[in-house]
Amino acid sequence: DVKVTQSSRYLVKRTGEKVFLECVQDMDHENMFWYRQDPGLGLRLIYFSYDVKMKEKGDIPEGYSVSREKKERFSLILESASTNQTSMYLCASSSGTAAYEQYFGPGTRLTVT
Amino acid sequence: AQKITQTQPGMFVQEKEAVTLDCTYDTSDPSYGLFWYKQPSSGEMIFLIYQGSYDQQNATEGRYSLNFQKARKSANLVISASQLGDSAMYFCAMRVIGGKLIFGQGTELSVKP
Repeated sequence: DVKVTQSSRYLVKRTGEKVFLECVQDMDHENMFWYRQDPGLGLRLIYFSYDVKMKEKGDIPEGYSVSREKKERFSLILESASTNQTSMYLCASSSGTAAYEQYFGPGTRLTVT
Repeated sequence: AQKITQTQPGMFVQEKEAVTLDCTYDTSDPSYGLFWYKQPSSGEMIFLIYQGSYDQQNATEGRYSLNFQKARKSANLVISASQLGDSAMYFCAMRVIGGKLIFGQGTELSVKP
């Protein structure tokens, strides 16, 4: 079974802190994605990556950056956390360019105070 | 613009009855895919069913079926014989060229005993 893991289920950070959210997949998938989920807005794509060291902006990249140094790991970085970044963050991975299905991690609920 | 719309924020259904969750989409791409995901209160996203834009037949997976009406740009999810464990958020999503997924706002389904 495909497994996508995220470093934390719950995280509380202070405004201005640098925050790292880690995602690891074990199926050698080329594609990895970071979403944030907010009530009434569904999931919105922050960044995605089709290969190691590659990154593409999604629909809401402002305030975020990403890193993909190894194929299995995709990190989301909040350079200076703000309260409007309080949200559920979901990582996903998929195989190939015509992705059939994305496999999701359990999510990280981030609270910025 | 590429968009997914779920107009039902919340739905109730009696156990053992069937329920339809609505989804409409907008895209000018000739090739696309439509997905439904389930998100229980635990937070993980569970893939339910997929329909490709060129598929002639409606997709079915056990108690789930996708009512695909291409001319109307709708991809409604039908759950037959609802169970208490079906209570969850349901998201419709569209895969666009490049492999990205665009999600709808979600529908919260509650199954009553």
